[in-house]
Amino acid sequence: AQRVTQPEKLLSVFKGAPVELKCNYSYSGSPELFWYVQYSRQRLQLLLRHISRESIKGFTADLNKGETSFHLKKPFAQEEDSAMYYCALSERGSQGNLIFGKGTKLSVKP
Amino acid sequence: NAGVTQTPKFQVLKTGQSMTLQCAQDMNHEYMSWYRQDPGMGLRLIHYSVGAGITDQGEVPNGYNVSRSTTEDFPLRLLSAAPSQTSVYFCASSSKLNQPQHFGDGTRLSIL
Repeated sequence: AQRVTQPEKLLSVFKGAPVELKCNYSYSGSPELFWYVQYSRQRLQLLLRHISRESIKGFTADLNKGETSFHLKKPFAQEEDSAMYYCALSERGSQGNLIFGKGTKLSVKP
Repeated sequence: NAGVTQTPKFQVLKTGQSMTLQCAQDMNHEYMSWYRQDPGMGLRLIHYSVGAGITDQGEVPNGYNVSRSTTEDFPLRLLSAAPSQTSVYFCASSSKLNQPQHFGDGTRLSIL
C-alpha cells in the first residue's frame, strides 16, 4: 500500500536559516507528488507539484526516485513561511485520490 | 470566483443527531472528495466522486454517506453522529485525474 511519511511533526528555524521539510513515500508505481500548505486560519492550498519543477515562494522540491523522497527546501526562511505543510501522493491513472502525510508544522522565529 | 464553498463553517451536535455538510464548487470540476483532518493524523479521505452519479469510499468511510446528483454539489451526511467524528472536514475538487485539488475553507464539527 502506498504511504507518505513526514518524520517531523514540528520544525522550528530562525528567520534567514535554510529549511528542509522531509517527505518520504512508498509506492510501487509512478506517483505524482505534491506539497500543500495551510496557513493559520486559511484553507489548504497547493504549493508545489513535482512535474512542474517550479519554485514557488522560494520553495523547491525534487523528486528522488532512488530514495523515494520529495523533500521541500528553501534557502532562507521567512516568518510568513510559518504554516502547516503536507506532502501528498497521487497514483498515476487512479481516481486522483490524494494520500497525505501527517504534516509538519513549520515555525520561523524572528 | 467562489471556488469550493463549504457550509456551515462551525457546528456542534449531540451524539446521535444527524447532519449534512454541504460542499459546492463552481469550476465544473468532475472530481470531488471529502477529507477529515485530525491532529497528528493529517488528512484522511472519507468519500470521493469522479462525476455526477458516481461515488466511492475512501480510507475512513464508516459513519458517513455521500451522493452526487449534480456536478456542482457533493454533500456529506452523518446519519448518527458520534464523538469520534469530531474533526475538521474539508471538501476538495479537481478538474480531472491527478490534477491539483482545490480545497474549501473547512467545517469544524464537534460532537458532544
